[in-house]
Amino acid sequence: EAQVTQNPRYLITVTGKKLTVTCSQNMNHEYMSWYRQDPGLGLRQIYYSMNVEVTDKGDVPEGYKVSRKEKRNFPLILESPSPNQTSLYFCASSSDRAPYNEQFFGPGTRLTVL
Amino acid sequence: AQKITQTQPGMFVQEKEAVTLDCTYDTSDPSYGLFWYKQPSSGEMIFLIYQGSYDQQNATEGRYSLNFQKARKSANLVISASQLGDSAMYFCAMREGQVGQFYFGTGTSLTVIP
Repeated sequence: EAQVTQNPRYLITVTGKKLTVTCSQNMNHEYMSWYRQDPGLGLRQIYYSMNVEVTDKGDVPEGYKVSRKEKRNFPLILESPSPNQTSLYFCASSSDRAPYNEQFFGPGTRLTVL
Repeated sequence: AQKITQTQPGMFVQEKEAVTLDCTYDTSDPSYGLFWYKQPSSGEMIFLIYQGSYDQQNATEGRYSLNFQKARKSANLVISASQLGDSAMYFCAMREGQVGQFYFGTGTSLTVIP
């Protein structure tokens, strides 16, 4: 089954404790992306990757790191989480070929930073 | 300036009626894609419809159609014959270029009334 998986689905942590949210896709997609969703703000792109070893900042990259060492994986790293990073996080992937380029989303990771 | 603007925070529609969800966008890139996603209360992001900037005809997918007015930079979603299961949050999104950044609007919450 074609899918994007994220782990963990739920995470409660404390300020300053480094964490990683994993994202993996099995569709051989070139493009992968991370978003955060906050009430009233919609989804905002954190980072995206056009292919292995190619990443770029989205609208809200501060406090986050990413890496793309393999095509299927795109982990999101919070080196020193803060309470303002409490949010719902989505990973997504898409092909860079026409016509649709639709993004397939993971199920989301709800993060709470105390 | 906002890249994607959705001006209707909440909408109500009678079951079996049609409803239009508004979306305007802002870009100077001649190549872009426009997307609509549905997010039910369960939280997953469901792709509905896509319109490319060079597409001559409005996109349609079953009960969903996209009213694309390029000169006005609008990409309104029309849902025909609303069903109770259409109650959800709807997001308009834009991708600049073939592999560029994605931008989402703040969403419209649609409630279908029996």
